Amino acid sequence: EAQVTQNPRYLITVTGKKLTVTCSQNMNHEYMSWYRQDPGLGLRQIYYSMNVEVTDKGDVPEGYKVSRKEKRNFPLILESPSPNQTSLYFCASLQAGGTGELFFGEGSRLTVL
Amino acid sequence: GDSVTQMEGPVTLSEEAFLTINCTYTATGYPSLFWYVQYPGEGLQLLLKATKADDKGSNKGFEATYRKETTSFHLEKGSVQVSDSAVYFCARLGYSTLTFGKGTMLLVSP
Repeated sequence: EAQVTQNPRYLITVTGKKLTVTCSQNMNHEYMSWYRQDPGLGLRQIYYSMNVEVTDKGDVPEGYKVSRKEKRNFPLILESPSPNQTSLYFCASLQAGGTGELFFGEGSRLTVL
Repeated sequence: GDSVTQMEGPVTLSEEAFLTINCTYTATGYPSLFWYVQYPGEGLQLLLKATKADDKGSNKGFEATYRKETTSFHLEKGSVQVSDSAVYFCARLGYSTLTFGKGTMLLVSP
């Protein structure tokens, strides 16, 4: 089954404690992206990757890091989380040159105390 | 830059009512346009799309027509159901990403 898998789905942490949200896709897609969803602000892109070892900032990259060492994985790293990073995070992938349809993971709800 | 503007919600309707959710986009080039739907507790999933002017995307009774002259892609459904209650996102495909509107919550009561 084609899917994008994120982990963890839910996490409560404290300010400053490094964490990583993993994302994996099994569709061999070149493009992957991270979004955060906040009430009243919709979906905002954090980082994206056009292919292995190629990453770029989205609209709200501050406080986040990503890596793309292999095609299927695109982890989101919060080196020193802060309360304003409390949000619902989505990973998504897309086939370059395809229909433009983004495939989304189920979301990771992060709370930073 | 690229942007998408959609009507604010929530939109509250009774079952079998007619639905319109407005969406307009910035007209840089000829982007593909999409509607995504997010059911409670789930990620977004593609509802329908249109790739060029005058195309009509349709799925599950929903329709949207790509209107180049008005830079719009309004979502419509003739008769909504309680199960259509969700958040709907309009989006346009740019060079490197999809740009989303802020989402419109639809609440349908029996």
